[in-house]
Amino acid sequence: GAVVSQHPSWVICKSGTSVKIECRSLDFQATTMFWYRQFPKQSLMLMATSNEGSKATYEQGVEKDKFLINHASLTLSTLTVTSAHPEDSSFYICSARVDGGDYNEQFFGPGTRLTVL
Amino acid sequence: AQRVTQPEKLLSVFKGAPVELKCNYSYSGSPELFWYVQYSRQRLQLLLRHISRESIKGFTADLNKGETSFHLKKPFAQEEDSAMYYCALYNAGNMLTFGGGTRLMVKP
Repeated sequence: GAVVSQHPSWVICKSGTSVKIECRSLDFQATTMFWYRQFPKQSLMLMATSNEGSKATYEQGVEKDKFLINHASLTLSTLTVTSAHPEDSSFYICSARVDGGDYNEQFFGPGTRLTVL
Repeated sequence: AQRVTQPEKLLSVFKGAPVELKCNYSYSGSPELFWYVQYSRQRLQLLLRHISRESIKGFTADLNKGETSFHLKKPFAQEEDSAMYYCALYNAGNMLTFGGGTRLMVKP
């Protein structure tokens, strides 16, 4: 099946720094990628939809200047958490949808755990 | 707006017992529903989707539009079924909305 990778898998940073998370579709092209946030013992919450070659679409309540998304190519989307604060600590998961597939199946990355001190 | 509800946060059964994970949805259009599973320390992965009417790892799920439900069932639970299960709905805007998840624990 299609594989989605994320890097890094775990990052610890000081408050005020910016952190970039990469999401790659390894063996397929993805016009659309999604970024989710998952708090402990909670479900995935969609943050934004990342479209290759255009601006991301953010969900209500998600600060676009805080969470910068760049979908640079058909296999790479990045999420940058700018000026991170402890409340940004969370598990960030990306997914990619297979273009041209028969079904609307999304493949998920393993997630990135961000800890802001 | 669409909504997916999984009323049980935790479901604990003994090995060999039947299991049913409940999922209800609200959506004005024609729903496309999925079950995703997340095993310990692994990524989220698709278990099954209502369109394909498959049985995966012994699990089945039937879409009941009258009751707006998509419950996941397995007649005989196995210990390796222990995981987090998420019901999800795909809307016309091509976005997945997840339920809150149910943790299934299968005891030996």
